[in-house]
Amino acid sequence: AQSVTQPDIHITVSEGASLELRCNYSYGATPYLFWYVQSPGQGLQLLLKYFSGDTLVQGIKGFEAEFKRSQSSFNLRKPSVHWSDAAEYFCAVGVRYNTDKLIFGTGTRLQVFP
Amino acid sequence: NAGVTQTPKFQVLKTGQSMTLQCAQDMNHNSMYWYRQDPGMGLRLIYYSASEGTTDKGEVPNGYNVSRLNKREFSLRLESAAPSQTSVYFCASTQDRGFADTQYFGPGTRLTVL
Repeated sequence: AQSVTQPDIHITVSEGASLELRCNYSYGATPYLFWYVQSPGQGLQLLLKYFSGDTLVQGIKGFEAEFKRSQSSFNLRKPSVHWSDAAEYFCAVGVRYNTDKLIFGTGTRLQVFP
Repeated sequence: NAGVTQTPKFQVLKTGQSMTLQCAQDMNHNSMYWYRQDPGMGLRLIYYSASEGTTDKGEVPNGYNVSRLNKREFSLRLESAAPSQTSVYFCASTQDRGFADTQYFGPGTRLTVL
């Protein structure tokens, strides 16, 4: 069965530090991969997505993600975190079988200290 | 440009009561979705509608019904609320393909069932 794993439930970083959020997926076919961000009390917003081509994908707010097929990973990175990046981050894989849908990971909550 | 709107924002029900959560989108999208978000479980798909006039079950449909009233509106009904349905509910829409297109989320409805 398809699944998405985000091994880190909660990450704390200092403002200005680099960030990497991990995401691993299990899916037999070529995946459609997404990262969404949820600010407190808000709905989810797309950060970036990968379908094919260049395995390094640029997104909004200075985020990027790298697709590594050999590791079944799609990790999210940012060189320098800002206090406004504090939020919950969800990785998702697009699944096309009898239901076209997204399967979400359980999320990683990012806390940023000044 | 409102995007995806949801009403109400908050609701408290007693066990056995019924209610309908409303969702509307103004982006002329074909597909709409209802998710629930619970701590540590990410987002799980309840029902979706690939186009006006069609609805299909997602991962956790028990205890819920939906209606795709027209292209803009997709409602979720709890006929007899149970404490296990305490959750945050999100509506989302996509242009067409739920597995590949960007999903746009509403701000959510926080439901408590006592």
